[in-house]
Amino acid sequence: QQPVQSPQAVILREGEDAVINCSSSKALYSVHWYRQKHGEAPVFLMILLKGGEQKGHEKISASFNEKKQQSSLYLTASQLSYSGTYFCGTERFGNDMRFGAGTRLTVKP
Amino acid sequence: DAGVIQSPRHEVTEMGQEVTLRCKPISGHNSLFWYRQTMMRGLELLIYFNNNVPIDDSGMPEDRFSAKMPNASFSTLKIQPSEPRDSAVYFCASSLGQAQETQYFGPGTRLLVL
Repeated sequence: QQPVQSPQAVILREGEDAVINCSSSKALYSVHWYRQKHGEAPVFLMILLKGGEQKGHEKISASFNEKKQQSSLYLTASQLSYSGTYFCGTERFGNDMRFGAGTRLTVKP
Repeated sequence: DAGVIQSPRHEVTEMGQEVTLRCKPISGHNSLFWYRQTMMRGLELLIYFNNNVPIDDSGMPEDRFSAKMPNASFSTLKIQPSEPRDSAVYFCASSLGQAQETQYFGPGTRLLVL
């Protein structure tokens, strides 16, 4: 039931782009993306809804392929503040959130 | 506006002791979630409530864990007796209630069972 995220870790230089993927073996109702900095709580980034559109947050955007049960998070022109662990969370029926293992993103100057 | 409030922020206890974690959701939110985070298992959903009623507790590890939500502004997660393997960060989150809503996480309780 837990979605699978890839890659496990990414190291970037400022200004570089990255893609984080999230996939499920089950049909999904929605996909959520969160970012967690060390020692802090996860913070919401965006939701992608079944039948919905691609939603963006500043230079971070995401897509949701319902047929493949896959979502991708796109980080464009990365900034130091993007560093953290990114989690995708999936709902199959509503409020039954399951989180992936996370992708650790490090942005270096 | 106050976010989700959790207490205590840190708890150190000895094996066998009872531990009670507390959560106050954001006012007006109808759903409340308890998560546990460890390096080995990641972020796991333990239980969630909708309108104070437990909806899905399939993530609760075993009978030593119990959760209650006596009213819309308060929930507890109790571990009795506690074991070293319960050591983790426990997060409470709340949302407006319907599916596909943003979940707002509290700061977490860091639990260490010796």
